[in-house]
Parts: sequence; structure tokens; C-alpha cells
Amino acid sequence: EAQVTQNPRYLITVTGKKLTVTCSQNMNHEYMSWYRQDPGLGLRQIYYSMNVEVTDKGDVPEGYKVSRKEKRNFPLILESPSPNQTSLYFCASSSPGTGDANVLTFGAGSRLTVL
Amino acid sequence: KNQVEQSPQSLIILEGKNCTLQCNYTVSPFSNLRWYKQDTGRGPVSLTIMTFSENTKSNGRYTATLDADTKQSSLHITASQLSDSASYICVVRVSGFQKLVFGTGTRLLVSP
Repeated sequence: EAQVTQNPRYLITVTGKKLTVTCSQNMNHEYMSWYRQDPGLGLRQIYYSMNVEVTDKGDVPEGYKVSRKEKRNFPLILESPSPNQTSLYFCASSSPGTGDANVLTFGAGSRLTVL
Repeated sequence: KNQVEQSPQSLIILEGKNCTLQCNYTVSPFSNLRWYKQDTGRGPVSLTIMTFSENTKSNGRYTATLDADTKQSSLHITASQLSDSASYICVVRVSGFQKLVFGTGTRLLVSP
């Protein structure tokens, strides 16, 4: 089944304790992206990657890092989490091109709480 | 500034009734507009895509319209069902880029 898999789905951590949220897709998509979703603000892009070893900042990259060493994986790293990073995080992927080809496939989400 | 605004923020309708959700955008240059449905606690799923030349497109009980002149889109849901309860997100793609501009969504509750 074509899908984007995120782990963990739920995580409670404390301020300053480094964590990584993994994202993997099995559709051979070039494009991958991370979003955070907060009440009233909608989805905001954190980082995106056009292909292996190609990453770029989205709208809210502060406090986050990413890497794209393999095509299928795009982990999100919080080096020193803070309470304002408490949010629902989504990873998504798509193929390039126009029209239906570039529909985003989203993961199920990772709910992160930073105390 | 590229922006997507959706209205209403939330909506409650009775099962079986119709409703229309609105999306206004100021994205330029425009590539396409996509409506996503997001069930509570799940990732968004694409409902339909509208390109510049398309005015209307249907997907079952969902009908999307696009007016490129006024930069408005609507999503009409016919004969609503309880399973339509979700957030509906309008997403506009900037032409030539992988840049997407997201609306904040309309939360729809279909009541029995």
C-alpha cells in the first residue's frame, strides 16, 4: 500500500531533550515536506526537500533540522525542543510535475507535547 | 503576499442538507487549487484539483468550482452524510515552484 509512515505518533518530552520524528514513504517520491498544524493557524511548512541531499526552509524552520540522505526517508530533528514546538506534525510527499501528479500524500501525523 | 482565506471557519448542518465552503486566494502566479479533506487526527486527503482552465469538477457528492478572474473557489457538498464531518482545506500552488499556500480550513460538523 502506498503510504507515508511517521513515528512516533504520540510523544511527550521535556524541554531541551533532543528528539527525532521519522518519516518514510514507499512511493519513490522526489518531494517531501514537513508541516506543523496548530489551532487557528492551519498547516505551516517547516522544511521541504526536492530530492536526496536537497533541502530548503519553509515558512517556520526555526528550531528544526532535517536531512535527506535517502530518497524514502526525511526525518525531522528537534535539537532542543521548547514548549512552543508543541504541535501536530505532518510529513508529506509527492512526485514532481503538474496536475494530479503532484498531489500530496500525508502521513497520519505525530502529536508532540513539550513540557 | 500570497494568501488563502477560507470561510466560514466552522459550520454545522443537518444530515442530508447541502452546504458550500468558500476559498479566496491572492496567490500569483497561480498553478492550481486543491481541496483536501482532513478527518480529526488524520492527515489531509485530496478531494479534487482545479487548474486555471477548469470551472467545475465533481467527485461524487463533492463539486468544486473555480473563478480565476475573481480568484475564488467553492466546494459544494450535496446530501451531506455524518462521515462528511471533517476539516476542509483549500491549498493553492504557486506556478513554477513547489510552494503551496494553505488556507486555515473550514471545520464542518454534520449533525444527525
